[in-house]
Amino acid sequence: DVKVTQSSRYLVKRTGEKVFLECVQDMDHENMFWYRQDPGLGLRLIYFSYDVKMKEKGDIPEGYSVSREKKERFSLILESASTNQTSMYLCASSGRTGKNIQYFGAGTRLSVL
Amino acid sequence: GESVGLHLPTLSVQEGDNSIINCAYSNSASDYFIWYKQESGKGPQFIIDIRSNMDKRQGQRVTVLLNKTVKHLSLQIAATQPGDSAVYFCAETSSGTYKYIFGTGTRLKVLA
Repeated sequence: DVKVTQSSRYLVKRTGEKVFLECVQDMDHENMFWYRQDPGLGLRLIYFSYDVKMKEKGDIPEGYSVSREKKERFSLILESASTNQTSMYLCASSGRTGKNIQYFGAGTRLSVL
Repeated sequence: GESVGLHLPTLSVQEGDNSIINCAYSNSASDYFIWYKQESGKGPQFIIDIRSNMDKRQGQRVTVLLNKTVKHLSLQIAATQPGDSAVYFCAETSSGTYKYIFGTGTRLKVLA
């Protein structure tokens, strides 16, 4: 089974803090994604990466950055957390060929106070 | 508790009945579609997929129907069980892109 693991289920941070969300996948997938999920808005893509050290902005990259130093690990960084970044963050991975099914982690619920 | 899904449409179904969840997709160029199930406190879980060269695909207790003319996708769950209670949403993509467009979802409640 594909396993996508997010390091934290719940996080509480203060405004202005630097926040790291970590994601690891064990299927040797080329593609990895970070989404945020908010009520009534569906999943919105923040960033994705199609290879090590490669990244592309998604639909809402402002206030976020990412890092992919190893194939299995994709990190989302909030440089200076703000209250409007309180959300559920979901990591996903997919292979490059075939159906490109995205497999998701359990999510990190981040609260910024 | 979970705040995802507070504003979602809800479908309530008696245990044992069939459920039909609908999705209107947005891009006429989309050629691949997925249904996901998201239980409370968990990440989305793949249920079933369909390519645009098909109009129906069946899995175990689930069937996906695709109507490209009206850009409509539906998920049918046979003999709905309490464990089917979750939020269901569709996702669409097209060849040559890694990006998906996700629907906002429907909450399925199974009544005992």
